[in-house]
Amino acid sequence: NFMLTQPHSLSESPGKTVTISCTRSSGSIASKYVQWYQLRPGSAPSTVIYEDDRRPSGVPDRFSGSIDSSSNSASLTISGLKTEDEADYYCQSYDTNNHWVFGGGTKLTVL
Amino acid sequence: EVQLVQSGAEVKKPGESLKISCKASGYSFSSSWIGWVRQMSGKGLELMGIIYPGDSDVIYSPSFQDQVTISADRSISTAYLQWRSLKASDTAMYYCAQIRGITIVDYWGQGTLVTVSS
Repeated sequence: NFMLTQPHSLSESPGKTVTISCTRSSGSIASKYVQWYQLRPGSAPSTVIYEDDRRPSGVPDRFSGSIDSSSNSASLTISGLKTEDEADYYCQSYDTNNHWVFGGGTKLTVL
Repeated sequence: EVQLVQSGAEVKKPGESLKISCKASGYSFSSSWIGWVRQMSGKGLELMGIIYPGDSDVIYSPSFQDQVTISADRSISTAYLQWRSLKASDTAMYYCAQIRGITIVDYWGQGTLVTVSS
């Protein structure tokens, strides 16, 4: 099976843009959809990106997703950072047997 | 509006049994997979298994096969996660999730914290 590797933590200032990467260890990142989930303390988790780059209704357009076959990675970009964006973010994909794979999570600090 | 409301936090002793619940509303419960995701303290997310309430088909992730039981009651739109004999290593936050297809979470419950300690 493959792994998804994320940076352990990132820090950025309010108003700036941050990009969280998710690199697939084997097999093509484009072969199966990638999702991104936001976990904030004290709140229910939420889905911020699904199917690589699609945004659920209600998620601000400050959140965007993409994949890059050259680096075999997916990215979550958050622009115009707000303090409320401070959270743990997890990427997720699946293999040919529909077994889920989660990245290790990225702790985003906005200060 | 889709809502998944989970049962409250639990404190149990090793060897005890436990069943936690996830009540769904705002969509056709029988027509979507619903899953359980574990997050141990300071660790990442792990899918435990998913169930299709329409026919009670259950798919367990290999690590959780025979460790837990996932079930659902269509009459009350509720999914369950059950342990027969808890271990300290079952201490974690457990999330239920409504799943699109079989691989994408659309909505999440608020989580149930399970603490197992003697």
